[in-house]
Amino acid sequence: AQKITQTQPGMFVQEKEAVTLDCTYDTSDQSYGLFWYKQPSSGEMIFLIYQGSYDEQNATEGRYSLNFQKARKSANLVISASQLGDSAMYFCAMREGRGGGGNKLTFGTGTQLKVEL
Amino acid sequence: DGGITQSPKYLFRKEGQNVTLSCEQNLNHDAMYWYRQDPGQGLRLIYYSQIVNDFQKGDIAEGYSVSREKKESFPLTVTSAQKNPTAFYLCASSINTGESNEKLFFGSGTQLSVL
Repeated sequence: AQKITQTQPGMFVQEKEAVTLDCTYDTSDQSYGLFWYKQPSSGEMIFLIYQGSYDEQNATEGRYSLNFQKARKSANLVISASQLGDSAMYFCAMREGRGGGGNKLTFGTGTQLKVEL
Repeated sequence: DGGITQSPKYLFRKEGQNVTLSCEQNLNHDAMYWYRQDPGQGLRLIYYSQIVNDFQKGDIAEGYSVSREKKESFPLTVTSAQKNPTAFYLCASSINTGESNEKLFFGSGTQLSVL
C-alpha cells in the first residue's frame, strides 16, 4: 500500500485565489512528521512546511498552511493568494518513527500546480 | 553561501558504462541521501549515509553504489547493472538529530540519460 497518496496529478488555480493540494498517508506509528516540498522547473526541492503528529495546531508558514486531520490521516496543503511563482510540482512526504534509523522521507507522486492569470 | 552542489547537471551514459554523479555539501551535515525521481513516481530513496564511512541501502539500491569517505561528499555510481538508469537524481543532506521535524536540504539535481 502507498504510504503517501496524492490523488491530484494536476491542478489549476487563478492568481490571487486559494488552492488546496490533497495528501493522505498511511502509518501505524504514533510519532511521525509530515512535510511539503515545492519543486520548480529548475529541479531543486524547496521545503515549505512541517507538521508533527503530536502538534495540536495546524502548521502555518506565510501563505502556506497545513490542514492536518489526524483521524482521517490527511495533511492537505493550502496556499492562499496564489501567485504565478507558485506554479510548480508539490510533494507531500512523511517521516515515520522518532530517532535513529536515518531521516528517511517517503514521498508521494506529486501534484503539478499551474497558476493562471 | 552554504548549500549542496550536484554535478553535472546533465549526464549521458552509454550501454555497459558506469557513471558517477557528484554531490558536495558545505552545510556541515552528518547525513546525506540519494533519491531517484521518475515521472509520475515521486522520489525513491537509493542510498543514505548517517556518518562518514557508513551507508545503508534504501528502497531501490540495486545497480547503484556509493561511498562516503568525507563528510562533505557522497558520490553515486550508476553501474552497468542498472538497466533503466534514465531518471532525475537528487542528492540531499540533513543534520541528523533524529527529530521528526528535521528537514532535508536538496541539491538541484542531475538528469541522467542513456545514449
